Amino acid sequence: GQNIDQPTEMTATEGAIVQINCTYQTSGFNGLFWYQQHAGEAPTFLSYNVLDGLEEKGRFSSFLSRSKGYSYLLLKELQMKDSASYLCADPSRNGGSQGNLIFGKGTKLSVKP
Amino acid sequence: DGGITQSPKYLFRKEGQNVTLSCEQNLNHDAMYWYRQDPGQGLRLIYYSQIVNDFQKGDIAEGYSVSREKKESFPLTVTSAQKNPTAFYLCASSAGGSSYNSPLHFGNGTRLTVT
Repeated sequence: GQNIDQPTEMTATEGAIVQINCTYQTSGFNGLFWYQQHAGEAPTFLSYNVLDGLEEKGRFSSFLSRSKGYSYLLLKELQMKDSASYLCADPSRNGGSQGNLIFGKGTKLSVKP
Repeated sequence: DGGITQSPKYLFRKEGQNVTLSCEQNLNHDAMYWYRQDPGQGLRLIYYSQIVNDFQKGDIAEGYSVSREKKESFPLTVTSAQKNPTAFYLCASSAGGSSYNSPLHFGNGTRLTVT
């Protein structure tokens, strides 16, 4: 079966760095997505990792270890606007050919002044 | 600008009534999806469609129905058989097909309240 785990909530300070972890169990593997969702709004795409290692996109980076079934999202120089839920998602359903995702419950990040 | 439009943003219905949520996209995407989001839960897949005139049940399809008569449109009907219909409903699209790594583009959601 497929299962995704991430912490429910995290708090960090403006200007700091925060790491949001995601562990997954899947019968196949076709990469891992991260989405950002502000309260009451639509999720927006942040990153997609299919190979091991770190991918950097400005203040946000995403890391994947396939052997450990582990990913994290790293947010640097935190800003108040980064307060949101961060969703980890697995596209491996049906061998990956269908494209639909299984989402984790999301990590609600609160950035304090 | 291309995007996905869901309407209305807020919807109120009485128990026992069917209600249809609209979803339109002009991204020329083949695949469209409906997710439901409840507090403390991840997004859960209701139905999805990879191509016009074809759709598949997701994880929680009971009490819902869809149609895909046009590429641009994927309306969701919440029927009276759905036991807990109050939720935030999100429509999404992607390039689909064999592009399983295509990110989803979401609409702004419809918050349905049934009393």
